[in-house]
Amino acid sequence: NAGVTQTPKFRVLKTGQSMTLLCAQDMNHEYMYWYRQDPGMGLRLIHYSVGEGTTAKGEVPDGYNVSRLKKQNFLLGLESAAPSQTSVYFCASRRIPDQAPNSYEQYFGPGTRLTVT
Amino acid sequence: AQSVTQLDSQVPVFEEAPVELRCNYSSSVSVYLFWYVQYPNQGLQLLLKYLSGSTLVKGINGFEAEFNKSQTSFHLRKPSVHISDTAEYFCAVGWMDSSYKLIFGSGTRLLVRP
Repeated sequence: NAGVTQTPKFRVLKTGQSMTLLCAQDMNHEYMYWYRQDPGMGLRLIHYSVGEGTTAKGEVPDGYNVSRLKKQNFLLGLESAAPSQTSVYFCASRRIPDQAPNSYEQYFGPGTRLTVT
Repeated sequence: AQSVTQLDSQVPVFEEAPVELRCNYSSSVSVYLFWYVQYPNQGLQLLLKYLSGSTLVKGINGFEAEFNKSQTSFHLRKPSVHISDTAEYFCAVGWMDSSYKLIFGSGTRLLVRP
């Protein structure tokens, strides 16, 4: 059981370039989330998905797009990277809430460190 | 709207001393609360959570937290810290809607000195 994995781990982009970050989970979770972490600001939600084929905006969605074509994958795209998108990106997933004690937990991937020059 | 405040950006403490990391939240509805820990260059690991029931919650690595509804607080405590507890700690509040998203505080860096 790999849990939540993220690809790539590191990336350097030039302003205006595009890229896609991949998040994969093998826990059959319905919900998936993309966060960005910046110093002194904690984690902020970019986009999320409550199931295959669905996506919704979070707190800081501008400049990003997402897709959830398969239940186990959640892709985050940057169409035209900007220096303000330099950050560490975390993906998380969780199951549908039920009586299980861990059903409210979000499980996080190891992160992707992105630098835009 | 829900929000989380961690007033202390950094807490220095000597090894074997007790520590308290403060977390206050604002919400007009019932909440569930978490503390996560992040070691350098790693992802987030769940320390403990409060969903309902007993207001004193015990987690991993000897940490515990107390949910205080009247003061809207969820402070994290450890009676005796170790060097290995040096990390960043995040408090988070969970939305009880269809998104089940988390709102995070800005984090507190715990620095344990020998």
